[in-house]
Amino acid sequence: QVQLQESGPGLVKPSETLSLTCTVSVGSISDYYWSWIRQPPGKGLEWIACVYDNAITTYNPSLKSRVTISIDTSKNQFSLKLSSVTAADTALYYCARAAISGNRRDAFDIWGQGTMLSVSS
Amino acid sequence: DIQMTQSPSSLSASVGDRVTITCRASQGISTYLNWYQQKAGKAPKLLIYAVSSLESGVPSRFSGTGSGTDFSLTISSLQLEDFATYYCQQSYSMPRTFGQGTKLEI
Repeated sequence: QVQLQESGPGLVKPSETLSLTCTVSVGSISDYYWSWIRQPPGKGLEWIACVYDNAITTYNPSLKSRVTISIDTSKNQFSLKLSSVTAADTALYYCARAAISGNRRDAFDIWGQGTMLSVSS
Repeated sequence: DIQMTQSPSSLSASVGDRVTITCRASQGISTYLNWYQQKAGKAPKLLIYAVSSLESGVPSRFSGTGSGTDFSLTISSLQLEDFATYYCQQSYSMPRTFGQGTKLEI
């Protein structure tokens, strides 16, 4: 069964760049696109960006200037970099999968457990 | 961006109740609407995709309807395990956007 596992530093200082990685265990990274979604404490869900297996990317305009998403198909991993972080970036960061085609196309059907990121000096 | 607005934001109900949560899109999204359930401390779980298709393993007491801009999620007979927060999400266009969530409480 496909599982996603996020990894990250847990704590970053303001103005620094955070880096997160999501590892896809079991199965192919093809036929899907891979997203980062975040959830500030006690708040709702915000989609950040996605990447396809051919490395095509799409970003949320609200974060585009600070975000880079990439994929390493040889390692079955994809990553997120968010620059110039502030306290507003404190959130639980999830990685998630969505199918490119088929009935369940574009629904986030598999999620990681999430990794908490705190921004503090 | 397409804005998704859910109502109500919170809802108190009892076991056995029938409840409906609504979701309105700021523009037409055809049938590109998904619903998620999130329990405390857990990742969201896909419940329904493409308005009305139940994800594998989801009980039949969950159902979804709608098209265009107005959608709803109905739980026909609430069970204890259904008390959670529910989110709608549009997959019509980028950026993907979610509703603000509906917290279902006892």
